[in-house]
Amino acid sequence: QQPVQSPQAVILREGEDAVINCSSSKALYSVHWYRQKHGEAPVFLMILLKGGEQKGHDKISASFNEKKQQSSLYLTASQLSYSGTYFCGTESVQSVGRSQGNLIFGKGTKLSVKP
Amino acid sequence: DSGVTQTPKHLITATGQRVTLRCSPRSGDLSVYWYQQSLDQGLQFLIQYYNGEERAKGNILERFSAQQFPDLHSELNLSSLELGDSALYFCASSVESDNSPLHFGNGTRLTVT
Repeated sequence: QQPVQSPQAVILREGEDAVINCSSSKALYSVHWYRQKHGEAPVFLMILLKGGEQKGHDKISASFNEKKQQSSLYLTASQLSYSGTYFCGTESVQSVGRSQGNLIFGKGTKLSVKP
Repeated sequence: DSGVTQTPKHLITATGQRVTLRCSPRSGDLSVYWYQQSLDQGLQFLIQYYNGEERAKGNILERFSAQQFPDLHSELNLSSLELGDSALYFCASSVESDNSPLHFGNGTRLTVT
Protein backbone atom coordinates (compact mmCIF):
# COMPACT_ATOMS: atom_id res chain seq x y z
CA GLN A 1 0.00 0.00 0.00
CA GLN A 2 1.49 3.28 -1.14
CA PRO A 3 1.86 5.96 1.57
CA VAL A 4 0.11 9.27 0.98
CA GLN A 5 2.15 12.44 0.98
CA SER A 6 0.90 15.98 1.42
CA PRO A 7 1.14 18.58 0.12
CA GLN A 8 1.87 17.61 -3.47
CA ALA A 9 3.85 20.77 -4.01
CA VAL A 10 5.01 23.77 -2.00
CA ILE A 11 6.76 26.99 -2.92
CA LEU A 12 8.85 28.78 -0.31
CA ARG A 13 11.01 31.85 -0.02
CA GLU A 14 14.48 31.38 1.38
CA GLY A 15 14.35 31.28 5.16
CA GLU A 16 10.77 30.02 5.38
CA ASP A 17 9.74 26.75 6.99
CA ALA A 18 7.85 23.80 5.54
CA VAL A 19 6.28 20.57 6.75
CA ILE A 20 5.75 17.52 4.55
CA ASN A 21 3.46 14.79 5.80
CA CYS A 22 3.39 11.08 5.07
CA SER A 23 0.68 8.68 6.20
CA SER A 24 0.00 5.02 5.73
CA SER A 25 -2.99 2.74 6.20
CA LYS A 26 -0.72 -0.11 7.31
CA ALA A 27 1.23 -0.66 10.51
CA LEU A 28 4.70 0.69 9.89
CA TYR A 29 8.08 -0.69 10.84
CA SER A 30 10.04 2.30 9.64
CA VAL A 31 9.84 5.44 7.57
CA HIS A 32 12.55 6.70 5.22
CA TRP A 33 12.92 10.18 3.71
CA TYR A 34 14.74 10.90 0.44
CA ARG A 35 15.29 13.97 -1.70
CA GLN A 36 15.56 13.85 -5.47
CA LYS A 37 16.79 16.79 -7.47
CA HIS A 38 15.78 17.09 -11.10
CA GLY A 39 17.69 14.67 -13.28
CA GLU A 40 19.44 13.03 -10.36
CA ALA A 41 19.04 9.92 -8.22
CA PRO A 42 17.20 10.05 -4.89
CA VAL A 43 19.45 10.73 -1.92
CA PHE A 44 18.86 9.36 1.57
CA LEU A 45 18.02 11.92 4.27
CA MET A 46 17.01 9.90 7.31
CA ILE A 47 15.29 6.79 8.59
CA LEU A 48 12.96 6.58 11.57
CA LEU A 49 12.19 3.32 13.30
CA LYS A 50 8.98 2.52 15.14
CA GLY A 51 9.03 3.90 18.64
CA GLY A 52 8.04 7.49 17.93
CA GLU A 53 11.54 8.82 17.59
CA GLN A 54 12.48 12.13 16.11
CA LYS A 55 15.64 12.76 14.17
CA GLY A 56 17.46 15.82 12.97
CA HIS A 57 19.89 16.53 10.21
CA ASP A 58 21.12 20.12 10.17
CA LYS A 59 17.90 22.15 9.72
CA ILE A 60 15.91 19.15 8.49
CA SER A 61 14.22 16.95 11.06
CA ALA A 62 11.49 14.34 11.10
CA SER A 63 9.10 12.66 13.47
CA PHE A 64 7.36 9.30 13.36
CA ASN A 65 4.09 8.63 15.14
CA GLU A 66 3.80 4.86 15.14
CA LYS A 67 0.25 4.82 16.51
CA LYS A 68 -1.05 7.13 13.83
CA GLN A 69 1.18 5.57 11.17
CA GLN A 70 2.33 9.02 10.20
CA SER A 71 5.60 10.80 9.71
CA SER A 72 6.40 14.45 9.13
CA LEU A 73 9.49 16.06 7.66
CA TYR A 74 10.33 19.54 8.94
CA LEU A 75 12.48 21.92 6.93
CA THR A 76 13.40 25.06 8.80
CA ALA A 77 15.01 28.23 7.48
CA SER A 78 14.93 26.75 3.99
CA GLN A 79 17.83 27.24 1.62
CA LEU A 80 17.90 27.20 -2.19
CA SER A 81 19.63 23.83 -2.00
CA TYR A 82 16.54 22.32 -0.38
CA SER A 83 14.66 22.45 -3.68
CA GLY A 84 13.71 19.08 -5.06
CA THR A 85 11.13 16.34 -4.70
CA TYR A 86 10.87 14.72 -1.29
CA PHE A 87 9.77 11.11 -1.04
CA CYS A 88 8.78 9.20 2.03
CA GLY A 89 9.22 5.46 1.91
CA THR A 90 7.56 3.04 4.28
CA GLU A 91 8.32 -0.47 5.41
CA SER A 92 5.27 -2.27 6.77
CA VAL A 93 5.17 -4.71 9.65
CA GLN A 94 5.18 -8.35 8.69
CA SER A 95 3.22 -10.93 10.66
CA VAL A 96 6.07 -11.89 12.97
CA GLY A 97 6.90 -8.29 13.83
CA ARG A 98 9.59 -7.94 11.26
CA SER A 99 9.63 -5.56 8.37
CA GLN A 100 8.25 -6.78 5.06
CA GLY A 101 11.39 -5.33 3.65
CA ASN A 102 9.96 -3.79 0.53
CA LEU A 103 10.32 -0.03 0.71
CA ILE A 104 7.26 1.59 -0.87
CA PHE A 105 7.48 5.25 -1.78
CA GLY A 106 4.81 7.92 -1.82
CA LYS A 107 4.23 10.04 -4.93
CA GLY A 108 6.49 12.78 -3.66
CA THR A 109 6.25 16.41 -2.64
CA LYS A 110 7.84 18.95 -4.95
CA LEU A 111 9.52 21.71 -2.97
CA SER A 112 10.68 24.90 -4.68
CA VAL A 113 12.69 27.45 -2.74
CA LYS A 114 12.88 30.90 -4.32
CA PRO A 115 15.42 33.64 -3.49
CA ASP B 1 28.86 9.21 -5.72
CA SER B 2 26.65 6.59 -4.05
CA GLY B 3 28.92 3.69 -4.97
CA VAL B 4 26.10 1.96 -6.87
CA THR B 5 26.87 1.44 -10.55
CA GLN B 6 24.20 1.01 -13.18
CA THR B 7 24.80 0.22 -16.84
CA PRO B 8 23.98 1.26 -19.43
CA LYS B 9 23.03 4.88 -18.74
CA HIS B 10 20.79 5.09 -21.76
CA LEU B 11 19.06 2.43 -23.83
CA ILE B 12 16.94 2.94 -26.92
CA THR B 13 15.16 -0.06 -28.34
CA ALA B 14 12.09 -1.03 -30.31
CA THR B 15 8.82 -2.53 -29.16
CA GLY B 16 8.90 -6.28 -28.77
CA GLN B 17 12.59 -6.37 -27.95
CA ARG B 18 14.35 -7.60 -24.82
CA VAL B 19 16.93 -5.70 -22.76
CA THR B 20 19.04 -6.33 -19.67
CA LEU B 21 19.86 -3.68 -17.10
CA ARG B 22 22.80 -4.25 -14.80
CA CYS B 23 23.50 -3.07 -11.27
CA SER B 24 26.57 -3.37 -9.07
CA PRO B 25 25.79 -2.56 -5.42
CA ARG B 26 27.99 -0.64 -3.03
CA SER B 27 30.80 -2.67 -1.56
CA GLY B 28 29.47 -4.53 1.47
CA ASP B 29 25.79 -4.11 0.62
CA LEU B 30 23.85 -7.36 0.43
CA SER B 31 20.46 -6.07 -0.64
CA VAL B 32 19.48 -4.80 -4.07
CA TYR B 33 16.24 -3.05 -5.00
CA TRP B 34 14.82 -2.18 -8.42
CA TYR B 35 12.49 0.76 -8.97
CA GLN B 36 10.77 2.18 -12.04
CA GLN B 37 10.22 5.92 -12.36
CA SER B 38 8.13 7.20 -15.24
CA LEU B 39 8.07 10.85 -16.29
CA ASP B 40 7.10 13.00 -13.30
CA GLN B 41 6.00 9.90 -11.45
CA GLY B 42 7.06 8.46 -8.17
CA LEU B 43 9.26 5.46 -7.57
CA GLN B 44 7.45 2.21 -8.25
CA PHE B 45 8.92 -0.74 -6.36
CA LEU B 46 9.61 -3.73 -8.58
CA ILE B 47 11.63 -6.29 -6.65
CA GLN B 48 14.18 -6.74 -3.87
CA TYR B 49 16.95 -9.29 -3.43
CA TYR B 50 18.99 -10.04 -0.35
CA ASN B 51 22.19 -12.05 -0.56
CA GLY B 52 21.08 -13.81 -3.72
CA GLU B 53 17.53 -14.59 -2.66
CA GLU B 54 14.32 -12.81 -3.63
CA ARG B 55 13.16 -10.88 -0.55
CA ALA B 56 10.11 -8.96 -1.70
CA LYS B 57 8.15 -8.43 -4.88
CA GLY B 58 6.19 -5.39 -5.96
CA ASN B 59 4.14 -4.66 -9.04
CA ILE B 60 6.59 -6.28 -11.38
CA LEU B 61 5.14 -7.37 -14.70
CA GLU B 62 5.45 -10.99 -15.80
CA ARG B 63 7.47 -9.75 -18.78
CA PHE B 64 10.08 -8.52 -16.33
CA SER B 65 12.43 -10.70 -14.32
CA ALA B 66 15.47 -10.15 -12.17
CA GLN B 67 18.15 -12.01 -10.32
CA GLN B 68 21.04 -11.39 -7.98
CA PHE B 69 24.23 -13.29 -8.66
CA PRO B 70 26.75 -14.78 -6.18
CA ASP B 71 28.97 -11.70 -6.56
CA LEU B 72 25.87 -9.67 -5.53
CA HIS B 73 25.44 -7.79 -8.77
CA SER B 74 21.92 -7.82 -10.12
CA GLU B 75 20.27 -7.80 -13.53
CA LEU B 76 16.78 -6.73 -14.52
CA ASN B 77 15.49 -8.31 -17.71
CA LEU B 78 12.69 -6.63 -19.60
CA SER B 79 11.11 -8.51 -22.49
CA SER B 80 8.38 -7.97 -25.10
CA LEU B 81 8.90 -4.28 -24.53
CA GLU B 82 6.01 -1.87 -24.94
CA LEU B 83 6.00 1.90 -25.33
CA GLY B 84 4.72 2.21 -21.77
CA ASP B 85 7.87 0.58 -20.44
CA SER B 86 9.83 3.72 -21.28
CA ALA B 87 11.06 5.00 -17.93
CA LEU B 88 14.03 5.56 -15.67
CA TYR B 89 15.00 2.37 -13.89
CA PHE B 90 16.83 2.79 -10.61
CA CYS B 91 18.78 0.23 -8.70
CA ALA B 92 19.48 0.81 -5.03
CA SER B 93 21.46 -1.15 -2.49
CA SER B 94 21.54 -1.39 1.29
CA VAL B 95 23.50 -3.25 3.90
CA GLU B 96 20.61 -5.16 5.39
CA SER B 97 17.31 -6.47 4.06
CA ASP B 98 15.33 -3.90 6.00
CA ASN B 99 15.65 -0.72 8.06
CA SER B 100 18.76 0.33 6.18
CA PRO B 101 19.28 3.45 4.08
CA LEU B 102 19.04 2.88 0.36
CA HIS B 103 21.80 4.14 -1.88
CA PHE B 104 20.64 4.74 -5.43
CA GLY B 105 22.52 4.38 -8.66
CA ASN B 106 22.18 7.03 -11.35
CA GLY B 107 19.61 4.99 -13.22
CA THR B 108 19.18 3.58 -16.70
CA ARG B 109 17.00 5.64 -19.04
CA LEU B 110 15.04 3.22 -21.24
CA THR B 111 13.29 4.54 -24.32
CA VAL B 112 11.08 2.16 -26.28
CA THR B 113 10.20 3.37 -29.79
